Amino acid sequence: GAVVSQHPSWVICKSGTSVKIECRSLDFQATTMFWYRQFPKQSLMLMATSNEGSKATYEQGVEKDKFLINHASLTLSTLTVTSAHPEDSSFYICSASGTSGYLSYEQYFGPGTRLTVT
Amino acid sequence: QQQVKQSPQSLIVQKGGISIINCAYENTAFDYFPWYQQFPGKGPALLIAIRPDVSEKKEGRFTISFNKSAKQFSLHIMDSQPGDSATYFCAASMSWRTSGSRLTFGEGTQLTVNP
Repeated sequence: GAVVSQHPSWVICKSGTSVKIECRSLDFQATTMFWYRQFPKQSLMLMATSNEGSKATYEQGVEKDKFLINHASLTLSTLTVTSAHPEDSSFYICSASGTSGYLSYEQYFGPGTRLTVT
Repeated sequence: QQQVKQSPQSLIVQKGGISIINCAYENTAFDYFPWYQQFPGKGPALLIAIRPDVSEKKEGRFTISFNKSAKQFSLHIMDSQPGDSATYFCAASMSWRTSGSRLTFGEGTQLTVNP
């Protein structure tokens, strides 16, 4: 149980375009979803936290107008990178926490999305 | 105070040996300590986790040792195998928070198990 999927697994886009990444909890309801960014050989950097039906809370230094997060349902959150530039190229990972029991404090991670901006 | 310090940065172990990764934290409000395993190009996977009311937790070849007074916890991988070669992250959170608990991650340890 507690499976999280991401789509796409990798994407290449041209500079200036926007790209949307989906994160889904497949077998549980996720009240909270987290979005991380990871550069090679580095730890995970939390970008934002989103609760279903609420606006996302962004970490300091993360541009909310550039990284649009929508958590429209208990199973789906999306991250849209707007006007992408080469420096946005990274590995984006989502995670989800559930509604009760151990699911409420454990985070289950998706497989990640490799974004390359040319 | 929110940091979690992890060491070593990299570790090379022979097959069959014991791999030990250490983490230290400052915030005494942390009460949930998971370890994640990450393979290249993949998302982290929850490996094992512990709460501070126990000093040790074992699951198969993986053991977490927890020292509350020292604010340290460690991951021991017994009989290490080449398939264990991955990056390991320790983390900490305050599980009493509602609506999902933010994880504070260590810097990661790249483990290589030689055949």
